[in-house]
Amino acid sequence: NAGVMQNPRHLVRRRGQEARLRCSPMKGHSHVYWYRQLPEEGLKFMVYLQKENIIDESGMPKERFSAEFPKEGPSILRIQQVVRGDSAAYFCASSPSGNVNEQYFGPGTRLTVT
Amino acid sequence: KNEVEQSPQNLTAQEGEFITINCSYSVGISALHWLQQHPGGGIVSLFMLSSGKKKHGRLIATINIQEKHSSLHITASHPRDSAVYICAVMEYGNKLVFGAGTILRVKS
Repeated sequence: NAGVMQNPRHLVRRRGQEARLRCSPMKGHSHVYWYRQLPEEGLKFMVYLQKENIIDESGMPKERFSAEFPKEGPSILRIQQVVRGDSAAYFCASSPSGNVNEQYFGPGTRLTVT
Repeated sequence: KNEVEQSPQNLTAQEGEFITINCSYSVGISALHWLQQHPGGGIVSLFMLSSGKKKHGRLIATINIQEKHSSLHITASHPRDSAVYICAVMEYGNKLVFGAGTILRVKS
């Protein structure tokens, strides 16, 4: 059973470009969470999704950030018009429907904005 | 005041020492996680607790729900245990709230 997959592992974007981060949850998991770790800071919740639904986006910046988890395919975190302050590690976690207290983390995507 | 407080922030130990990292939280929770992160690395879930005590190899985690406190213990520490240890609480509503982490360095 493969773990949570994230790609790319490293992403470099110039200011103003778009960044797309992908997360494939563990098999059978229908809950996905995105977390951000800014340099020298702790992890912060961004968004919680179930298939085709955003359940809690209270941690998402109001502009330029969006997330989806379609019926088929991975969850996508999209950052439009990136700025240097978006440089961070973005982690995805997934949990099964039967026990949402369990969260399994992916390896993260390290975004660098130049 | 942060919802999740960890202590100490930094910890240096000699190989073989018994290590304790503490976590206090101020909100109602459904579970507490202890996570490990190596520099530049991913996050590994060590324990998920909702009550009592769990043990895995040289690691032991305990939680006291009434006192809103948890501890992570490492017995017979080893340089490969050097990492950041993060306490995270699951608030009702399914999102994790993280402590700032404890940077552990074990010297040989």
